[in-house]
Amino acid sequence: AQSVSQHNHHVILSEAASLELGCNYSYGGTVNLFWYVQYPGQHLQLLLKYFSGDPLVKGIKGFEAEFIKSKFSFNLRKPSVQWSDTAEYFCAVNRGFGNEKLTFGTGTRLTIIP
Amino acid sequence: DVKVTQSSRYLVKRTGEKVFLECVQDMDHENMFWYRQDPGLGLRLIYFSYDVKMKEKGDIPEGYSVSREKKERFSLILESASTNQTSMYLCASSAAGANYGYTFGSGTRLTVV
Repeated sequence: AQSVSQHNHHVILSEAASLELGCNYSYGGTVNLFWYVQYPGQHLQLLLKYFSGDPLVKGIKGFEAEFIKSKFSFNLRKPSVQWSDTAEYFCAVNRGFGNEKLTFGTGTRLTIIP
Repeated sequence: DVKVTQSSRYLVKRTGEKVFLECVQDMDHENMFWYRQDPGLGLRLIYFSYDVKMKEKGDIPEGYSVSREKKERFSLILESASTNQTSMYLCASSAAGANYGYTFGSGTRLTVV
């Protein structure tokens, strides 16, 4: 079974700092990769996704992620964070065919200090 | 705006009660999912369905069952609620195919006392 690891459980940054959240997955075949965000009191929303093509994917609110197949990684980045980025971030993966369910990581809580 | 609606935002139930959590989507999605979200554990899949009257067990199905009689509705049933089922329950739906992400509901926070 595939698994997803998010090693950063809680990250605290000041506004304008750069952000990188790690995500590693275990499945060796074709995969689709996703990042979701959950703002306080809100439902999970899709930030970005990768399923083929350019391994550098741009999402909403200035976020991007890079798929590095050789490292089984899909790290999330943002050059300059804002207080409004305070949220919990989840990486997810499924196999790249069929009706494949998503496997989620344990999440990273991001706190931005004004 | 597409929506996944969960019938209750907060529920408090007693140990041993039968609990129904309802989820309705208005996007004509084939796939529907139930997850529970716990601090430090992320989202864990309970059950999912790729079609009406079809259901498959996820990673933690014990103590739960589901029903999907109509395409738009997916119900999670706790046959006999226990305190270790206190959690946030999330419903999601997606179109058929692996390339689509999920649309999530707002969640139901269930407390079993």
